[in-house]
Amino acid sequence: DARVTQTPRHKVTEMGQEVTMRCQPILGHNTVFWYRQTMMQGLELLAYFRNRAPLDDSGMPKDRFSAEMPDATLATLKIQPSEPRDSAVYFCASAQYPEQFFGPGTRLTVL
Amino acid sequence: GENVEQHPSTLSVQEGDSAVIKCTYSDSASNYFPWYKQELGKRPQLIIDIRSNVGEKKDQRIAVTLNKTAKHSSLHITETQPEDSAVYFCAASISNFGNEKLTFGTGTRLTIIP
Repeated sequence: DARVTQTPRHKVTEMGQEVTMRCQPILGHNTVFWYRQTMMQGLELLAYFRNRAPLDDSGMPKDRFSAEMPDATLATLKIQPSEPRDSAVYFCASAQYPEQFFGPGTRLTVL
Repeated sequence: GENVEQHPSTLSVQEGDSAVIKCTYSDSASNYFPWYKQELGKRPQLIIDIRSNVGEKKDQRIAVTLNKTAKHSSLHITETQPEDSAVYFCAASISNFGNEKLTFGTGTRLTIIP
C-alpha cells in the first residue's frame, strides 16, 4: 500500500531558526502539493510542482518560505527564518490525476 | 478563483442515524469534487469523489450527490458508527489531465453520539 511519507513528524524550534521539511511522494506520481493546516485558516495550498517544476507558489510567503523538488522522490519545504505564526501542521500530498493523497504531516511549533 | 463553502461547521448525530454535509462552490467550470475525512491528529484521507458528469455515487454507507446547475454537492453517511467521528472536507477543482489543484471547504466536525 503505497503512501506519501514526510519527515520529521514533529519539530519544535526557536524563532529565527531554519526549518526544513521533507516529503517523499508516491512512486509514479508526478504532481506534489504542500499545504498548511491551522485551526483558523483550515487547509491552505502553499505551492505545487508537476514533473519537479514549480507551477504555483502564490500561497507561500516568498520572503521566508521556499519549496523545491531536487528529484522525483523528494520535495522540500524550507522556512528561514521561522516565526511563531508559522506554527501549524504542514502536509505534503502527491497526485495521480485526479486524486490527491496526503502524507502524515509535520507538526511544527515555533517558540 | 474557486470558493468553496461548507456547512454545517459542526454536526452531532446519534449512532445509527444519517449525517448530511453540504458544500457549495462558485466556479461553474469545476468538474471534480472529492471528499476527505480527517481523524484527529491524522492525515486527510480521500473517501469518495464525483465528477461533474455524474449525479450520484455510492460506496457502502457513504454517498455523494452533485447538482451541477446549483453548484452544490452533499455527502451522505448512513447508519453512522463511532468511527465516523472526524472532520470532513469537501473540495473542488477544474480538473483536466495535468491539473489537480484543489480548493477545500472549511470542514465539518462530525461527532457520533453512542
